[in-house]
Amino acid sequence: GAGVSQSPSNKVTEKGKDVELRCDPISGHTALYWYRQSLGQGLEFLIYFQGNSAPDKSGLPSDRFSAERTGGSVSTLTIQRTQQEDSAVYLCASSETGMNNSPLHFGNGTRLTVT
Amino acid sequence: QQQVKQSPQSLIVQKGGISIINCAYENTAFDYFPWYQQFPGKGPALLIAIRPDVSEKKEGRFTISFNKSAKQFSLHIMDSQPGDSATYFCAARFTGKLIFGQGTTLQVKP
Repeated sequence: GAGVSQSPSNKVTEKGKDVELRCDPISGHTALYWYRQSLGQGLEFLIYFQGNSAPDKSGLPSDRFSAERTGGSVSTLTIQRTQQEDSAVYLCASSETGMNNSPLHFGNGTRLTVT
Repeated sequence: QQQVKQSPQSLIVQKGGISIINCAYENTAFDYFPWYQQFPGKGPALLIAIRPDVSEKKEGRFTISFNKSAKQFSLHIMDSQPGDSATYFCAARFTGKLIFGQGTTLQVKP
């Protein structure tokens, strides 16, 4: 009964470098979400997967951000040419069906620091 | 408008008191309203949720009150305990995604 697993838990990178953040959802969960949480802020929606397709990627802040999901399971969020304003905690969540009463289960996040 | 507005930003309550956090929304297409609790260094965890056809839902010390006509909902924590000290987020679901409020940091003093 493992929960949502995210790796790495912390990532420090230099401005301009690319980073990849990984999310392992709960087994069998068809929906997967990425959110961003800046210091003292709420959760900002980035992208939502149903299976391997992304019906809603409206929250990706720029074309430097992309995400993919393979095999209906693991997802990777990639940030190219990182900027200091990308520093935040990136949270992944999964839900069993993605339907409106299916709760989201969050991982503990990846804390990204861009220096 | 897909925003959910949450208040207050921070709240200090004495042990045994009632904590009240309020949220408001505009989009009537929202049809599921959960509350999440987050401790430092952890991801948010579902606390309690309500659908808009229900005016109140209670689970233990936690109650959601929902006012559909006013487009407002609130979380009440009865008999607040120091272990309830955390950040609380309201949210609303729309087309498969959750829109979150800005969060309320609750401190319960012993």
